[in-house]
Amino acid sequence: AQKVTQAQTEISVVEKEDVTLDCVYETRDTTYYLFWYKQPPSGELVFLIRRNSFDEQNEISGRYSWNFQKSTSSFNFTITASQVVDSAVYFCALSESGNTPLVFGKGTRLSVIA
Amino acid sequence: GAGVSQSPSNKVTEKGKDVELRCDPISGHTALYWYRQSLGQGLEFLIYFQGNSAPDKSGLPSDRFSAERTGGSVSTLTIQRTQQEDSAVYLCASSLARGGYNEQFFGPGTRLTVL
Repeated sequence: AQKVTQAQTEISVVEKEDVTLDCVYETRDTTYYLFWYKQPPSGELVFLIRRNSFDEQNEISGRYSWNFQKSTSSFNFTITASQVVDSAVYFCALSESGNTPLVFGKGTRLSVIA
Repeated sequence: GAGVSQSPSNKVTEKGKDVELRCDPISGHTALYWYRQSLGQGLEFLIYFQGNSAPDKSGLPSDRFSAERTGGSVSTLTIQRTQQEDSAVYLCASSLARGGYNEQFFGPGTRLTVL
């Protein structure tokens, strides 16, 4: 069975601090996909990144970066120089193949204080 | 609009009543998913439609829940004899489902409150 664990329920940081959101996953599949979604106060889930199990290269997009490590089954998300607009609930998710349903973690609520 | 739309945005109903929630996927998307987001359970998969294939109903919590997708487009999620524990935000997502992985685009959700 697949499982995603986001151990951090809530995180609060002061603006401009860096913050890392942890994600640990479990799967027996050799091919799988990992995702991060953002859910701002408006409620709509916004796709941030997809990573497949064969690509362990880390990725950077502006202030966002992702660290994928198969050895520890982790896919952590770092926001550099956080801003108030980053305040949201962030979900890590896992899918066994191209279009199967997502298995979500419980989410981490990030509050960035000005 | 270009995104996934859902209606109604909010629904308040009395225990025991039936409700229907609607999802309009992005045009051309062949895969459609329903998820439920509740305080105690997080985001849970309910049902998945892919083209003309039989839907994957493995996430439906009870036989009071059903869904259909007409003409490969619009989908309706029906909850019969609603219970208070059905109160949640019901999210719909769609994807192209061609070739390699295609990301799921989510709608704004329907907030269901069962009194």
